[in-house]
Amino acid sequence: QQQVKQSPQSLIVQKGGISIINCAYENTAFDYFPWYQQFPGKGPALLIAIRPDVSEKKEGRFTISFNKSAKQFSLHIMDSQPGDSATYFCAASSPYKLSFGAGTTVTVRA
Amino acid sequence: ETGVTQTPRHLVMGMTNKKSLKCEQHLGHNAMYWYKQSAKKPLELMFVYNFKEQTENNSVPSRFSPECPNSSHLFLHLHTLQPEDSALYLCASSLDWDTGELFFGEGSRLTVL
Repeated sequence: QQQVKQSPQSLIVQKGGISIINCAYENTAFDYFPWYQQFPGKGPALLIAIRPDVSEKKEGRFTISFNKSAKQFSLHIMDSQPGDSATYFCAASSPYKLSFGAGTTVTVRA
Repeated sequence: ETGVTQTPRHLVMGMTNKKSLKCEQHLGHNAMYWYKQSAKKPLELMFVYNFKEQTENNSVPSRFSPECPNSSHLFLHLHTLQPEDSALYLCASSLDWDTGELFFGEGSRLTVL
């Protein structure tokens, strides 16, 4: 049973546009929500993360929005650049348990 | 440069071969993990080692055998694999087992013929 559902599976955005990836979870014990970025031929790397006591976290062009009541969180990539083309995984964590979404492949067209 | 190094990066093996994947972390972490990554699927946790002790085995077939001689090294021994085992095998480490902050290696791409 998939603990974290991620959508869309892929998206294409023009350079300068906004990429939005959504994730939903069921287990209310999750208390840490990281996003990982993976380039082709590389392993995933932690990009940004949020805890449920805040509704938004921003690091540069990357923003996580978190809706605790809806059990949803999303990643926004502002001013998308070709170098942002990668696969993005959301995840949800509680002590001793980390569940990943299936990933979203983002392609930024120049 | 990644603090988690995996070798080999690519491996092709027959169904009757025996091979091993190696992972080494230089981050001083206490927990190490093996994940399987297949296309369009979530990362699948295979094994977790915390302070060299195996703490989780996610119903992985016995043809995959992990070994953790110390907190810095992790092996995945492979024997009698099936073509459906072809995937990217990722090693990761974290400071402790109860954190969601994993540091991944670049993976070993395995093809089983």
